[in-house]
Amino acid sequence: GNSVTQMEGPVTLSEEAFLTINCTYTATGYPSLFWYVQYPGEGLQLLLKATKADDKGSNKGFEATYRKETTSFHLEKGSVQVSDSAVYFCALQYNNNDMRFGAGTRLTVKP
Amino acid sequence: EAGVVQSPRYKIIEKKQPVAFWCNPISGHNTLYWYRQNLGQGPELLIRYENEEAVDDSQLPKDRFSAERLKGVDSTLKIQPAELGDSAVYLCASSFRLMNTEAFFGQGTRLTVV
Repeated sequence: GNSVTQMEGPVTLSEEAFLTINCTYTATGYPSLFWYVQYPGEGLQLLLKATKADDKGSNKGFEATYRKETTSFHLEKGSVQVSDSAVYFCALQYNNNDMRFGAGTRLTVKP
Repeated sequence: EAGVVQSPRYKIIEKKQPVAFWCNPISGHNTLYWYRQNLGQGPELLIRYENEEAVDDSQLPKDRFSAERLKGVDSTLKIQPAELGDSAVYLCASSFRLMNTEAFFGQGTRLTVV
């Protein structure tokens, strides 16, 4: 079936370090791919998305490219800040609007 | 514009008691989701509505869980009777019924069953 596998956490980085959080998916057809973020004490909110192969989603310095050949949608940021500390969820959406999430990766950025 | 509104934010009940959660989606959103999020895990779909029709309830434990979305707007999720393992955060989300549109989430209801 359709599913998302995320890199296990937690991930701890120093400020200004480079971030990669891996996400791979299994799906029939061509799903849309999303990264959601959950800051402490807040609800899930969309960080970025990509709707077709080779699309790059970007927001707040984060980027992810929809790679059909490797069925991946890895999240990257060149220089993380303390304020990026949160839990990040990779998600895929089928054409019928069904949305499935990965297990989440907790990121802690230290000053 | 108001986001997805859920209530209550927190609920503590004894096992075997009933509990209900309420969700008001973003105006105009046809699709409504209920997810359960256990500690340290990602959201798991319980049920998805398109307008008032439940189009995917395959993951809803129907012996104790029920949901409704009267008039295709607000929705309620009920558990009766609650078990200790039901302790989790229950999330409601909504979206337009179009391809490639993101879901918007409420703050969730944290349920503790003691």
